[in-house]
Amino acid sequence: DQQVKQNSPSLSVQEGRISILNCDYTNSMFDYFLWYKKYPAEGPTFLISISSIKDKNEDGRFTVFLNKSAKHLSLHIVPSQPGDSAVYFCAASGFDNSDKLIFGTGTRLQVFP
Amino acid sequence: NAGVTQTPKFRILKIGQSMTLQCTQDMNHNYMYWYRQDPGMGLKLIYYSVGAGITDKGEVPNGYNVSRSTTEDFPLRLELAAPSQTSVYFCASKRQGDSNQPQHFGDGTRLSIL
Repeated sequence: DQQVKQNSPSLSVQEGRISILNCDYTNSMFDYFLWYKKYPAEGPTFLISISSIKDKNEDGRFTVFLNKSAKHLSLHIVPSQPGDSAVYFCAASGFDNSDKLIFGTGTRLQVFP
Repeated sequence: NAGVTQTPKFRILKIGQSMTLQCTQDMNHNYMYWYRQDPGMGLKLIYYSVGAGITDKGEVPNGYNVSRSTTEDFPLRLELAAPSQTSVYFCASKRQGDSNQPQHFGDGTRLSIL
């Protein structure tokens, strides 16, 4: 049973436009959500996070929105750049004291000129 | 800072062989984790440790063992390699006591069982 879902395996966006990556979750005990970015042959790199007490967190070109009632979060990248092309993973934690992460299956973002 | 270091980067094993994937971190993090990533899938937790001498199973522990004798090192052992264990393995660590700190990942070990 997939507790964290990323229903779009891929997304293609033109440079300069907005990229919106979506993530849904089923476990209401999750209280901390993260986005990781992954390039080929490298480990995931932390991008941005949000606590369940907030509905928005912004860091430069990256903004994460959380809608707890819908159990949905999204990552907005604006403006998108070719270097943003990577696989983006949504992850959730908070259901116990070990800070374990439950990952989605990822969305491959391609930003073209 | 080296962060989280995994060795080897690549390995091919024959069915039934054993090996240890090494993971070390220099950030003095108490919490460490092992994940595997299969093609087209997200990362799944194999084992984790909240401190030296303490380990626990994650979502997919079968066929693996771990130990945590020091804060820095968290090796993952495959005793009898099976084709189903072909995957990319990631080790991660994080600071204890602050749930709003992210996990930091190594660059992975790509393992093929033939």
